Parts: sequence; structure tokens; C-alpha cells
Amino acid sequence: GQSLEQPSEVTAVEGAIVQINCTYQTSGFYGLSWYQQHDGGAPTFLSYNALDGLEETGRFSSFLSRSDSYGYLLLQELQMKDSASYFCAVRAINNAGNMLTFGGGTRLMVKP
Amino acid sequence: KAGVTQTPRYLIKTRGQQVTLSCSPISGHRSVSWYQQTPGQGLQFLFEYFSETQRNKGNFPGRFSGRQFSNSRSEMNVSTLELGDSALYLCASSLDPGTTHQETQYFGPGTRLLVL
Repeated sequence: GQSLEQPSEVTAVEGAIVQINCTYQTSGFYGLSWYQQHDGGAPTFLSYNALDGLEETGRFSSFLSRSDSYGYLLLQELQMKDSASYFCAVRAINNAGNMLTFGGGTRLMVKP
Repeated sequence: KAGVTQTPRYLIKTRGQQVTLSCSPISGHRSVSWYQQTPGQGLQFLFEYFSETQRNKGNFPGRFSGRQFSNSRSEMNVSTLELGDSALYLCASSLDPGTTHQETQYFGPGTRLLVL
């Protein structure tokens, strides 16, 4: 089967940098995605890495190492509105095709 | 463009009943996926539809089913409801499966189902 591990909770202060790690075990790996979900809201897409390396989108960056089955989401210049849950997800093969499997989520709390 | 819409937003049912949830994808999106979100199990993939065909399926019992219509709108049905089916059911749409566009999933607000 497939599994993803990410920390359950991270706390940081406004203006700081935080890194959320994700390790995965899966078959037929296609790529690693990151989603943000505020309390009571729907998940929103942040980034997708299919190849090794760093992808930067504004204050957010995402990194992937396929050989290490590892990736991370880097959030810079933290703002209070970044307080949310962050999910890593991989698309993997199962016996009925392929499916997007999510990690358990990392709850980020940004303090003033 | 309007986002993904789901109806109803909230639903209360009793054990043994069945329920049908509806999802309208973003205009032009032909792929619709369904997910179940619970505090204990997190976000779990139910199934994906494209061109009225189920393309992929997660590890859920046969009580969970779905379909997609020619206008890409999708419904999911849960029969013989159990207490453990209480969850937030999320629908997501994307452009084309089998491409990197598939990875950008646009989620709807969800339907919160409570089974008593």
C-alpha cells in the first residue's frame, strides 16, 4: 500500500520561515502535491513536484527528492493567515487504477 | 469562473438510510473526484469519474457508488448508512486526467453528513 508521514503540528511566529516535511512510501509514484486547508474550508492546491528540485511560488516553495522519497513545503515570511492545515499527497497505483493519497496533515499555527 | 459547487452543504440521516450528494465541477473540467474527510482517517479517495466513466476507485465498500452525467456533473450515493459514514464529503474537479493538469484539483466546499 501507500503511506505518507508528516508532522501533526508545527508552531511558528509571524515573519518566520517554516518547513513541513513529508516522507512517502508508494508504488508507481507520479509526483508530490501540497494542499492548504483552513478550518471549515476546502483544500486548495498549492504546488506539484514531479521532478527533483525546488519549485517556488511566491512565499511558498516545494521540494522533492525522488531517491529519498521525501519532500517538503517551505513557507517564508509567515503571516497569520497561513495558520491552516497542510497536506502532502501522492498519486499512486492501486488495483483499480491510480489514486491521490493524502498524508494526515500538518496543523500550522502562526503566532504574533 | 464559478468554483466547484456541492449540494446539500449539510445533511442529517439515520443508520440504514441512503443518501445522494451532488457536485457540479468548474466549467470545462471533465474529471470529478470524490473524497471522504474524517478526523480519524483524514482525507481518503473514494473514486474518480471522467467522461461518465469511473476511472479510478479507492478502498471503500460497495455501499459507496457514484456516477457522472454528460455535463460532467457528478453524484455519489451511500446506501445503508453507518455511524462511521459521518464525514465531510469533498468533490474536486480537474481538467484532464492522465496529465499534470490532473494534479491540480479544485475542491468544492463539501457536504457535511451526520449519521445518527
